[in-house]
Amino acid sequence: EAAVTQSPRNKVAVTGGKVTLSCNQTNNHNNMYWYRQDTGHGLRLIHYSYGAGSTEKGDIPDGYKASRPSQENFSLILELATPSQTSVYFCASGDRGQDTQYFGPGTRLLVL
Amino acid sequence: SQLAEENSWALSVHEGESVTVNCSYKTSITALQWYRQKSGKGPAQLILIRSNEREKRNGRLRATLDTSSQSSSLSITATRCEDTAVYFCATETNTGKLTFGDGTVLTVKP
Repeated sequence: EAAVTQSPRNKVAVTGGKVTLSCNQTNNHNNMYWYRQDTGHGLRLIHYSYGAGSTEKGDIPDGYKASRPSQENFSLILELATPSQTSVYFCASGDRGQDTQYFGPGTRLLVL
Repeated sequence: SQLAEENSWALSVHEGESVTVNCSYKTSITALQWYRQKSGKGPAQLILIRSNEREKRNGRLRATLDTSSQSSSLSITATRCEDTAVYFCATETNTGKLTFGDGTVLTVKP
């Protein structure tokens, strides 16, 4: 089974501050994804990547940037955090041509 | 509007009973996936059923897909307490991206 880790697991940030969420996968998957999950809702796609150096906008990219410096690492960046970005963020990876996505444990972000 | 949605917010059964979670969607799909999310964890895929398939099984799990009515179901037989989780359907299009429903909370009572 794919191993996807996220850090930090919990984060408290202030409004207007910069937040970086990190994701690492050790299974050499080409594709990586960032989702957010709000209470009582499903996951919504923020950004995704097809490989090192590539980032694509998902369904709700506003207020977020992404960076994929290597095959293993994919970061989500909130340049100016707002309380509306309080949520649980999940990273996932998947291999090219395969449909299954493997999820990390999530990062709980609170923006005050 | 939701592109994928489960038809019940919450279901509750007793151990050993069977339960079905339903999902409807509003777009042309290449596949539909069912995920389970246990408390405090990330989702984990249970079953993937492609648009040209009508049924898929995985142990106690059975998924069906009806592309004419744009609906899917996930049935769990002989439920166990450890089946307690949120169950999501997720539609996949030719872009490869997934769109998740809001999920159905399943509680299995002893």
